[in-house]
Amino acid sequence: DTAVSQTPKYLVTQMGNDKSIKCEQNLGHDTMYWYKQDSKKFLKIMFSYNNKELIINETVPNRFSPKSPDKAHLNLHINSLELGDSAVYFCASSYQAPTEAFFGQGTRLTVV
Amino acid sequence: AQKVTQAQTEISVVEKEDVTLDCVYETRDTTYYLFWYKQPPSGELVFLIRRNSFDEQNEISGRYSWNFQKSTSSFNFTITASQVVDSAVYFCALTPTNSGYALNFGKGTSLLVTP
Repeated sequence: DTAVSQTPKYLVTQMGNDKSIKCEQNLGHDTMYWYKQDSKKFLKIMFSYNNKELIINETVPNRFSPKSPDKAHLNLHINSLELGDSAVYFCASSYQAPTEAFFGQGTRLTVV
Repeated sequence: AQKVTQAQTEISVVEKEDVTLDCVYETRDTTYYLFWYKQPPSGELVFLIRRNSFDEQNEISGRYSWNFQKSTSSFNFTITASQVVDSAVYFCALTPTNSGYALNFGKGTSLLVTP
């Protein structure tokens, strides 16, 4: 059973389009995250949700909007995609405690 | 403000050599947690270890060992008798005990182990 699953794994789209990445975890965790990994492999937190409530919202363009329908899901919607949005996006989950976070496989987004 | 510095961008070793990956952190928090993650060429992020700021005991897990020194704000990772399968990018990360426990990652060290 996959613990944290993201779909799609690859996403190629044109500038200006709107796209979504879905994330689901079956670990019973109460906190979920989105991280962005740029072309230099640098990982940075974007958002964190605890029990469907937004608790971290780093400096991310308004075009990025997370949505958590329940505590097992955290989707990422991106409007008006730009070339600079090309990156690998990782979903992760953990307990609301400094335990290890489990990461999804990542979604490689390429904006052309 | 929190910061994690992994000064070694790339390291290349020959199989069976020992290698140490350095991690230096900055934080004003008195309670915090440190982590190491591995990212192999396949791209997934694999948890290796977590250490809290009150536990300076070193840890060994097979060929892996970690040296946490609060006095120098370092949490270094040593691989003994490296193997080709150890080739990966290794990330050190820091999280406080508040603000959602999001990980502040260092820039990673790319380790290449050649036969």
